[in-house]
Amino acid sequence: LAKTTQPISMDSYEGQEVNITCSHNNIATNDYITWYQQFPSQGPRFIIQGYKTKVTNEVASLFIPADRKSSTLSLPRVSLSDTAVYYCLVGSYGGSQGNLIFGKGTKLSVKP
Amino acid sequence: NAGVTQTPKFRVLKTGQSMTLLCAQDMNHEYMYWYRQDPGMGLRLIHYSVGEGTTAKGEVPDGYNVSRLKKQNFLLGLESAAPSQTSVYFCASSPYREFSYNSPLHFGNGTRLTVT
Repeated sequence: LAKTTQPISMDSYEGQEVNITCSHNNIATNDYITWYQQFPSQGPRFIIQGYKTKVTNEVASLFIPADRKSSTLSLPRVSLSDTAVYYCLVGSYGGSQGNLIFGKGTKLSVKP
Repeated sequence: NAGVTQTPKFRVLKTGQSMTLLCAQDMNHEYMYWYRQDPGMGLRLIHYSVGEGTTAKGEVPDGYNVSRLKKQNFLLGLESAAPSQTSVYFCASSPYREFSYNSPLHFGNGTRLTVT
């Protein structure tokens, strides 16, 4: 599995756009990039997944440059309820099954 | 549609006691997983199952056993609890292998276990 590096924490204010960047220099050709969100006392929740370029859903956008060595999760106009830990994961079903590693994630704090 | 349900939500054990954590999913998913989450450690995979009647070891399997007798249930057992097993335990399921496209993990809300 490709190792990922994310900032430990980020602060923002309500209404701002937040961009969380994840580095994955050793990403393999078949790897997808997946982001999860975890609120206190809850299990992680799937946010978005992508392979290249840009993916957008009702919650977030995911930007992946051509070399795929990094990715950026973009949360538009955050609110207090977006305060959570965000995890970036990279892997493929062709890799080591059952070895999903979440790491420490990025703790996002949104202030009023 | 309840998703993934874990019972119990909280439990306190004494060293040496045994217990079973139950995970149930109603999404007809093939794959199920047990993770533990410790402060500063992220989530670590304990055991997983790729289908009814099958189980496999994950990253930190020692001290735990699992069973998947029915597709919808995945049980995690601690035969002789130790303080090092104090943690929050999460169960998850997915329709296909993790990292497959459009096969996200669905997590339960966890079981907080304290071993004294």
